Amino acid sequence: AQSVAQPEDQVNVAEGNPLTVKCTYSVSGNPYLFWYVQYPNRGLQFLLKYITGDNLVKGSYGFEAEFNKSQTSFHLKKPSALVSDSALYFCAVRDSTGANNLFFGTGTRLTVIP
Amino acid sequence: EPEVTQTPSHQVTQMGQEVILRCVPISNHLYFYWYRQILGQKVEFLVSFYNNEISEKSEIFDDQFSVERPDGSNFTLKIRSTKLEDSAMYFCASDLAGGPYEQYFGPGTRLTVT
Repeated sequence: AQSVAQPEDQVNVAEGNPLTVKCTYSVSGNPYLFWYVQYPNRGLQFLLKYITGDNLVKGSYGFEAEFNKSQTSFHLKKPSALVSDSALYFCAVRDSTGANNLFFGTGTRLTVIP
Repeated sequence: EPEVTQTPSHQVTQMGQEVILRCVPISNHLYFYWYRQILGQKVEFLVSFYNNEISEKSEIFDDQFSVERPDGSNFTLKIRSTKLEDSAMYFCASDLAGGPYEQYFGPGTRLTVT
């Protein structure tokens, strides 16, 4: 069975500080991992993904994420937060050997304080 | 940049009525999906569609639900007899070929069942 955990419902960070949004996953095979962002009354926007290769992946808007196989984690990071980064962030996983649908975490609301 | 579109943006219906939610996936994509997000909860997979047939479906996708690709561009989700608990945001998504490819989401249709 596949699952994703986002242990923090809410993350607050000051503008200009680094941010981390945590995600851990569980899959049977090798994972395909994704981060999406949702702004109010909008759909989900793709940020970045890990498929294979380098454990550090870079994505849109200066975000990056680090895949850690031993800890089954895929934390989202950004070196310097912007107020405009405030949104709902979802981690999602897909099993490389299984169905194509995504399993989502419960989401983490990021608030960047000016 | 191509995008997934959905209509209507908001649908209000009475319990027991049929609704059809419409989506136009990105034109060269081959896999299509429906997800839903009940207010304040995580995004849940409903169904995937490939090569004109259902590829996978979740336990949520019962006999009240059906999907169709009536022509070369539209992808629809029908709920035959709506229930109060069907009230949610419904997202359509598409991707190039499943597997490692990221899914692109539409802006969603907010369904309110009264």
